[in-house]
Amino acid sequence: QSALTQPPSASGSPGQSVTISCTGTSSDAGGYNYVSWYQQHPGKAPKLMIYEVTKRPSGVPDRFSGSKSGNTASLTVSGLQAEDEADYYCSSDVGRNSVVFGGGTKVTVL
Amino acid sequence: EVQLVESGGGLVQPGGSLRLSCAASGFTFSSYAMTWVRQAPGKGLEWVSVITGSAGNTHYADSVKGRFTISRDNSKNTLYLQMNSLRAEDTAVYYCAKAGMTYCYSTRCPFDYWGQGTLVTVSS
Repeated sequence: QSALTQPPSASGSPGQSVTISCTGTSSDAGGYNYVSWYQQHPGKAPKLMIYEVTKRPSGVPDRFSGSKSGNTASLTVSGLQAEDEADYYCSSDVGRNSVVFGGGTKVTVL
Repeated sequence: EVQLVESGGGLVQPGGSLRLSCAASGFTFSSYAMTWVRQAPGKGLEWVSVITGSAGNTHYADSVKGRFTISRDNSKNTLYLQMNSLRAEDTAVYYCAKAGMTYCYSTRCPFDYWGQGTLVTVSS
């Protein structure tokens, strides 16, 4: 299965917004509404930030939001804070009883 | 409080076998699908396998199909991953994770709680 395509890096200053894209095909991110986003700090386990494209688990700040257009899902972090510096991964069902992750995006807070 | 604790990792020779365990607590284990995800050193996340709450259905990534077997013992609140015919490229931290809801189809579930991971190193 092909991985979903994410930019390797993104950055922004504190208080700014950063958007990370996750591009797939009509067979995965584009065809389904089961895209999730995970945050991972160095040496730590991943944390669920967004599921089903736009839904936010309880406890996740509303600064984190998800969207989708065509075959590309996106995660936007508004009002960047120092603790948002981490790796972010998208994932999606690919319709053949399989799951694919994106390659990950390292977010740097300048 | 939900807790997932992996164990069983270690150093194994190519072609060898290893069984990972994931002890769960703080939720009704049998009601949730569970998954294994791995991360090679310095690399991204890779989905490995998923099992439904009843253990009635299992699914695998192509890279491990035929070599790895996921299972669970709901009486012991424990998830397993039996890994056979191990290769160098299986070297990774292996995480277990819990589905975010009881009603999601296995590969469509978001995973809301993760263990701390256990390192598997395949090397001679």
